[in-house]
Amino acid sequence: DAKTTQPTSMDCAEGRAANLPCNHSTISGNEYVYWYRQIHSQGPQYIIHGLKNNETNEMASLIITEDRKSSTLILPHATLRDTAVYYCIVRFGSGNTGKLIFGQGTTLQVKP
Amino acid sequence: GAVVSQHPSWVICKSGTSVKIECRSLDFQATTMFWYRQFPKQSLMLMATSNEGSKATYEQGVEKDKFLINHASLTLSTLTVTSAHPEDSSFYICSARNERFPPYGYTFGSGTRLTVV
Repeated sequence: DAKTTQPTSMDCAEGRAANLPCNHSTISGNEYVYWYRQIHSQGPQYIIHGLKNNETNEMASLIITEDRKSSTLILPHATLRDTAVYYCIVRFGSGNTGKLIFGQGTTLQVKP
Repeated sequence: GAVVSQHPSWVICKSGTSVKIECRSLDFQATTMFWYRQFPKQSLMLMATSNEGSKATYEQGVEKDKFLINHASLTLSTLTVTSAHPEDSSFYICSARNERFPPYGYTFGSGTRLTVV
């Protein structure tokens, strides 16, 4: 049921920007894009979410294409602690019934 | 910020016994909570949506009588794995919808590692 497509794995050099792509070509007009990450044996951690406009917070930036069919998560200066599985999720449903259906995610390996 | 507390963080039980996992929203009320299961090297699979004061909504293929969900208050949902068997060994994670603190959205617990022996 996942509505997103992500590369299985990516590598990034420590200190460099990590750019994680996500395709969500069937996204509807009122569906948000969420990004979470999961470090081994922990619960998912919220990173950022957006609808149409690009978003930035203390952790990352989210760039959403104008047609909303794809997005990119940017970690500006990756550290070893950013090694994790990153999930791009389009929320399924709306309001209080909206739920997050996880795809396979991208395993990001930050290397020294 | 919003915090979801999950307890216990790990549990080992004998085959045939039942295990209860608690999920609490701290500092915010959650009318809706979600339960996920995750097997090694796999993604999270949504099991059910827990609704305060009403019956849970289960995803297709999830046994309702096997995984009992109770959401009796606005801050607590419980998942009981009944008559557990080794194949139920997994990582169980809850999530609560937070509409009080930014970032508004879904906050996850730290997960419960269940091992059935």
